[in-house]
Amino acid sequence: EAGVAQSPRYKIIEKRQSVAFWCNPISGHATLYWYQQILGQGPKLLIQFQNNGVVDDSQLPKDRFSAERLKGVDSTLKIQPAKLEDSAVYLCASSYNRGAGNTIYFGEGSWLTVV
Amino acid sequence: DAKTTQPPSMDCAEGRAANLPCNHSTISGNEYVYWYRQIHSQGPQYIIHGLKNNETNEMASLIITEDRKSSTLILPHATLRDTAVYYCIVRLGGGTSYGKLTFGQGTILTVHP
Repeated sequence: EAGVAQSPRYKIIEKRQSVAFWCNPISGHATLYWYQQILGQGPKLLIQFQNNGVVDDSQLPKDRFSAERLKGVDSTLKIQPAKLEDSAVYLCASSYNRGAGNTIYFGEGSWLTVV
Repeated sequence: DAKTTQPPSMDCAEGRAANLPCNHSTISGNEYVYWYRQIHSQGPQYIIHGLKNNETNEMASLIITEDRKSSTLILPHATLRDTAVYYCIVRLGGGTSYGKLTFGQGTILTVHP
């Protein structure tokens, strides 16, 4: 079974520029998550989708971050304008549904460096 | 969500069992215990999860105490490739924000030759 696919794997941008990350979850998974992981810390949830609806975006910095999941499959996470503190790994994850007994699977992540 | 407490680091000899402890004294009845690990530059990898009973799969065993306030992840025969950060997470099973994983700092396990 194919895992969670993410792209690009690495991205370097200057501050105030914009960047977008793409995620394709495991086929049939209704729940999709975006996490941010700053070096030396555990991942932090940014946003959670159930199909194409947002379930939880309480920790998403909405002045610069946006995410969408059109048609309830692929998702994109956008940062505009980027700040130096946005340098992190952006992890996409998916699960069959929101139930806590359903395993969440992570992609390899997209590494962002803002200079 | 219930918080977890893990030692910041542990060492283990290759070929020996690695026993990683986790305290979750405020866990509630509908919260699962999940274990993930993360090897440098990779995404978190699912290991195992349980609610009340002990669980075993091809990677590890999970031992949950009867009062559910603590658990132990056991890697039966550690190899150098098991060197990673191990996260113990209590995952809410109901309510308005159920489903998400909240990561702590984890335990850095180093397996020595």
